[in-house]
Amino acid sequence: DIVLTQSPALAVSLGQRATISCKTNQNVDYYGNSYMHWYQQKPGQQPKLLIYLASNLASGIPARFSGRGSGTDFTLTIDPVEADDTATYYCQQSRNLPNTFGAGTKLELK
Amino acid sequence: EVQILETGGGLVKPGGSLRLSCATSGFNFNDYFMNWVRQAPGKGLEWVAQIRNKNYNYATYYAESLEGRVTISRDDSKSSVYLQVSSLRAEDTAIYYCTRWARDWYFDFWGPGTMVTVSS
Repeated sequence: DIVLTQSPALAVSLGQRATISCKTNQNVDYYGNSYMHWYQQKPGQQPKLLIYLASNLASGIPARFSGRGSGTDFTLTIDPVEADDTATYYCQQSRNLPNTFGAGTKLELK
Repeated sequence: EVQILETGGGLVKPGGSLRLSCATSGFNFNDYFMNWVRQAPGKGLEWVAQIRNKNYNYATYYAESLEGRVTISRDDSKSSVYLQVSSLRAEDTAIYYCTRWARDWYFDFWGPGTMVTVSS
């Protein structure tokens, strides 16, 4: 199985940039696409898709969110951070079954 | 508007079984693969199962940790997908989410989930 590693938590001030990383133990690129995706989950809610194929913004997601990376190293950036962005962020790979998720990064405000 | 709604969760004794249902609307269900993902209390997300569509002969795939105890199925006429879980254990306690699998291989829509609690 592909293992995804995320830092458990990140504290950022309002208006600053938050960068969340996700590293995989295997390459998740395939025919020119990186099969890495990002989700936001707020307490008591289902996850919501933010970014797909490493860098594509999902429908309705503000442009403050962006993703980049390829191969085994990926980042989700939120710039500027707003109060509503406090949540847990998960990366997920779909290069191989089983689909696997990172353990999540909890974003908090300083 | 895509809508996904899971039902069927509840309190079950260890060793028991449960059938979860997922009703969908707002999209052509026949075109999509569907999945179940679960989340234990205070924990992360774990993919459980996938069922492909008719074009892929309704192929099914399961997380190794659950294989043999879960069965995913679908009824295209009802735009619904199901998850049968048997020999339930305390560690199966989780919110079970039904998700749509987008054509580029990600979970693009999620239901609100249904809680399964396994306890005596």
